[in-house]
Amino acid sequence: GAGVSQSPRYKVAKRGQDVALRCDPISGHVSLFWYQQALGQGPEFLTYFQNEAQLDKSGLPSDRFFAERPEGSVSTLKIQRTQQEDSAVYLCASSQTGRPGELFFGEGSRLTVL
Amino acid sequence: SQQGEEDPQALSIQEGENATMNCSYKTSINNLQWYRQNSGRGLVHLILIRSNEREKHSGRLRVTLDTSKKSSSLLITASRAADTASYFCATDAKTGFQKLVFGTGTRLLVSP
Repeated sequence: GAGVSQSPRYKVAKRGQDVALRCDPISGHVSLFWYQQALGQGPEFLTYFQNEAQLDKSGLPSDRFFAERPEGSVSTLKIQRTQQEDSAVYLCASSQTGRPGELFFGEGSRLTVL
Repeated sequence: SQQGEEDPQALSIQEGENATMNCSYKTSINNLQWYRQNSGRGLVHLILIRSNEREKHSGRLRVTLDTSKKSSSLLITASRAADTASYFCATDAKTGFQKLVFGTGTRLLVSP
């Protein structure tokens, strides 16, 4: 596609619910990143894929967070048993190569946990 | 944790004035990038400067990098109301996995 596409754009969940956030990167982009952005803060790294391999998941806050990219294109970030502190914007970005050059970001998925 | 800190946190100027934002980071880097984010939107890449470069220009943007001080600055000349946004620096460390780590951002408001 023309750009990185994320869905849903907005998600309201009750505490304890599971959510799944989808990212469709630019076609052919090797690297895919997930970031979490709290209000008024910079994006915080969550996890990184090179093709289908998850090479770094050091930023995932807890074992309730899980990400996958099974065929090396679309990625899903899943949050189990959501908590209020999970409320944030989740940004997906992709880049053409395996090195972190220019990242292309999606518009983000804003998650609100009540 | 965030690698970089931008200074100032917020900046308010008039159209036509120049805006300067500074970024400090902690570890040795391969390159440093600047991104812009309009409210409620994703980030857009502005410019990349490599660790062996000291200055780079792109249109109305001028970026400097001082690796000895672990700092960078972004200058926007002749600002416009459309430049109103948050600006973030991002670095990839020389050691460890090459992920981009973002700073805390500068919120720029340009008034007509």
